[in-house]
Amino acid sequence: EPEVTQTPSHQVTQMGQEVILRCVPISNHLYFYWYRQILGQKVEFLVSFYNNEISEKSEIFDDQFSVERPDGSNFTLKIRSTKLEDSAMYFCASSETTGLNTEAFFGQGTRLTVV
Amino acid sequence: QQPVQSPQAVILREGEDAVINCSSSKALYSVHWYRQKHGEAPVFLMILLKGGEQKGHEKISASFNEKKQQSSLYLTASQLSYSGTYFCGTSNQAGTALIFGKGTTLSVSS
Repeated sequence: EPEVTQTPSHQVTQMGQEVILRCVPISNHLYFYWYRQILGQKVEFLVSFYNNEISEKSEIFDDQFSVERPDGSNFTLKIRSTKLEDSAMYFCASSETTGLNTEAFFGQGTRLTVV
Repeated sequence: QQPVQSPQAVILREGEDAVINCSSSKALYSVHWYRQKHGEAPVFLMILLKGGEQKGHEKISASFNEKKQQSSLYLTASQLSYSGTYFCGTSNQAGTALIFGKGTTLSVSS
């Protein structure tokens, strides 16, 4: 069964450093998303991406964050200068069409720890 | 604005039933239900759309009341595997963002 894959599974970084989280969405999916989940809390929407453009972003997704689809398969989330409060599980998801009537498939997540 | 889920937590014995509610102060276009087990990714359960269309697992049932702007997930004859945190997500009109509630933790014991 096709799945969304994320790498690395765990990343530890020092405060102020840049990190890039990588995702390979399901191959025929056109819509991509990043979510984050602080330990024990709800899953929070960060950004959605379609046709090489951001479709929607939340208040959390400020200038420190960026997304890119550098090639035909990868979808990345970059955090330019990490803060302690960026520590969370980051989930990538993808869907065939818009999320109104299509399920999003989530990857297993990257646990980011900022020290 | 995030949907509001209730209750926050449910404790059941195997075979018992539960209802998890999700309500929104904004108009609902679709409601998505996911279950997340500890340390794992959320897994899709069901989508409910305006007009009554539903997509999802046959063993899961849910309702969508457009007028009341709420959805309910019905878990009947619960099994141990039902344990986890259930999130409802509401979509914006374009379907470009899915905003989740805080979740309802379900614990099923034998």
